[in-house]
Amino acid sequence: EAAVTQSPRNKVTVTGGNVTLSCRQTNSHNYMYWYRQDTGHGLRLIHYSYGAGNLQIGDVPDGYKATRTTQEDFFLLLELASPSQTSLYFCASSDADWGQDTQYFGPGTRLLVL
Amino acid sequence: GDSVTQTEGLVTLTKGLPVMLNCTYQTTYSPFLFWYVQHLNEAPKLLLKSSTDNKRTEHQGFYATLHKSSSSFHLQKSSVQLSDSALYFCALSDLTGGYKVVFGSGTRLLVSP
Repeated sequence: EAAVTQSPRNKVTVTGGNVTLSCRQTNSHNYMYWYRQDTGHGLRLIHYSYGAGNLQIGDVPDGYKATRTTQEDFFLLLELASPSQTSLYFCASSDADWGQDTQYFGPGTRLLVL
Repeated sequence: GDSVTQTEGLVTLTKGLPVMLNCTYQTTYSPFLFWYVQHLNEAPKLLLKSSTDNKRTEHQGFYATLHKSSSSFHLQKSSVQLSDSALYFCALSDLTGGYKVVFGSGTRLLVSP
């Protein structure tokens, strides 16, 4: 089974703080995704990538940057964190396969912005 | 753009009863639909998926049939168990801009003894 890990698992920061969330997948999947999960909104796509150096904008990108440094590693950056970014963040990977492939999710990172 | 609608936010049932969680979608492409399940404090994981019209897909006692005529992919189970309590997401492959997935807002299923 595909393995996706995330760090940190929990993070507390203050408004205006700088936060980096990390994600690593070990199955050589082409696609990686960052989502945020909020009650009543389901999973919303922030950014995604189909390979090292590539970045695609998702549906809720404002206030977020992302970088895919290798096939395995995908980072989400909050450079000026705001309380509205308090959320549960999931990373996922998939092989795409013309839209048929399963997304494998990491365990999530809980972020609290005070 | 592509979208997925789940009308029920919360469904509460007694163990042993049948359940149907609604899912409808909008897309201009040939649809590929998924159901993901998320148990408390866990990550979402795939429950089942389909792109074949009018064919029932089953996994772990759950089943769904894609109906392109009504743009629906409802999730059903004939007899729910306490362990089925979870958050269920319907999702659609969105091929408009690379390979991404659009998720519905989710339906929480609570099963009581």
